[in-house]
Amino acid sequence: GAGVSQSPRYKVAKRGQDVALRCDPISGHVSLFWYQQALGQGPEFLTYFQNEAQLDKSGLPSDRFFAERPEGSVSTLKIQRTQQEDSAVYLCASSILAKGASTTGELFFGEGSRLTVL
Amino acid sequence: AQRVTQPEKLLSVFKGAPVELKCNYSYSGSPELFWYVQYSRQRLQLLLRHISRESIKGFTADLNKGETSFHLKKPFAQEEDSAMYYCALSSNNAGNMLTFGGGTRLMVKP
Repeated sequence: GAGVSQSPRYKVAKRGQDVALRCDPISGHVSLFWYQQALGQGPEFLTYFQNEAQLDKSGLPSDRFFAERPEGSVSTLKIQRTQQEDSAVYLCASSILAKGASTTGELFFGEGSRLTVL
Repeated sequence: AQRVTQPEKLLSVFKGAPVELKCNYSYSGSPELFWYVQYSRQRLQLLLRHISRESIKGFTADLNKGETSFHLKKPFAQEEDSAMYYCALSSNNAGNMLTFGGGTRLMVKP
């Protein structure tokens, strides 16, 4: 595919369930970001990968949130024991540039995974 | 800490009227500023960045370091400009990470 692909597009979970959200970035993109977007808000940074290395996870709201990118391509965001406040759209974005580049690369976003926790 | 503020949640104008979407930021260093746009049923995408100093779809934005602003302007709004607009900031220390504002919904009425 030509763009960033995310799945599932929609996920409804009962409170306490574990969920896994997948992101397939643009081929060759070094940087991968996860953002959380609550209703009526702008995207909030969660975590950043450069290839397989998770360089920044300062935005993860609790230890129930875990992200990985084991082979430097596909990434998974896992949320354990979901709570109602986890309801949001989870956006994945990728960029061809790495951290430390002289400029900030354009972020290419996926369509997002909308999580609703009942 | 870096912050981006978009004071207007909704901006409604008539077709042909001028548009200005406000963006203010707080960051002590030299930031890179961006505007991202999300049209209905489409994904978030880059509209323009301050270092490019270019006009995209008739929109321009000038970085004013004195006022710490990066307002988005268009002299004559079109109905197809209706969308959510997000101002974003990237700092040297944050690498590629963008900090987004809360967004402004622009509605252009016929």
